[in-house]
Amino acid sequence: GQNIDQPTEMTATEGAIVQINCTYQTSGFNGLFWYQQHAGEAPTFLSYNVLDGLEEKGRFSSFLSRSKGYSYLLLKELQMKDSASYLCAVRDRGNTGFQKLVFGTGTRLLVSP
Amino acid sequence: GAVVSQHPSRVICKSGTSVKIECRSLDFQATTMFWYRQFPKQSLMLMATSNEGSKATYEQGVEKDKFLINHASLTLSTLTVTSAHPEDSSFYICSARMSTSPTIYFGEGSWLTVV
Repeated sequence: GQNIDQPTEMTATEGAIVQINCTYQTSGFNGLFWYQQHAGEAPTFLSYNVLDGLEEKGRFSSFLSRSKGYSYLLLKELQMKDSASYLCAVRDRGNTGFQKLVFGTGTRLLVSP
Repeated sequence: GAVVSQHPSRVICKSGTSVKIECRSLDFQATTMFWYRQFPKQSLMLMATSNEGSKATYEQGVEKDKFLINHASLTLSTLTVTSAHPEDSSFYICSARMSTSPTIYFGEGSWLTVV
């Protein structure tokens, strides 16, 4: 089975940096995704990691350590519009051989002025 | 970029009836599509994985006779909620991936309300 853990809520100040952690346990790891989801909307893709290391994309960076089953999403220069839920999702080969995407519970980030 | 479209975005149906939700990949061929359900303030829960031309693989606890999934072509998957009940009211989201990219794209989601 799969187990993906994220903090439930985080708060930060506009202009600051925040790191959202994700730990996972899967049987057939094949990549980790971070998605942003505003209330009532579908998730939007932020980043993808399959190899160890840091992937940087503008204000957002994502890090992966496969040996530790750990990832984080780093948001820099926070803006009010970054207030959203951030979902960590792991792609798992599964027992059937078909790959599937399994989500963590999500982290609600509140950015205050 | 790749776009996945869902229809309808909102639907209200009477208890006991069936409702179909469509998921289309608009500019790529989706070899695999996923269906998720999300209750308010909760994360996405995978319901099933569908691969074009084969039967969907359902997650544990998801009734395959109640949630019928058809992936008849490389651009269309449908989810039919049969004999809907108020507890089926939820946000249903599909996602799709092409065989040549690891990225998974999401549809806009469909709000189902069963009254």
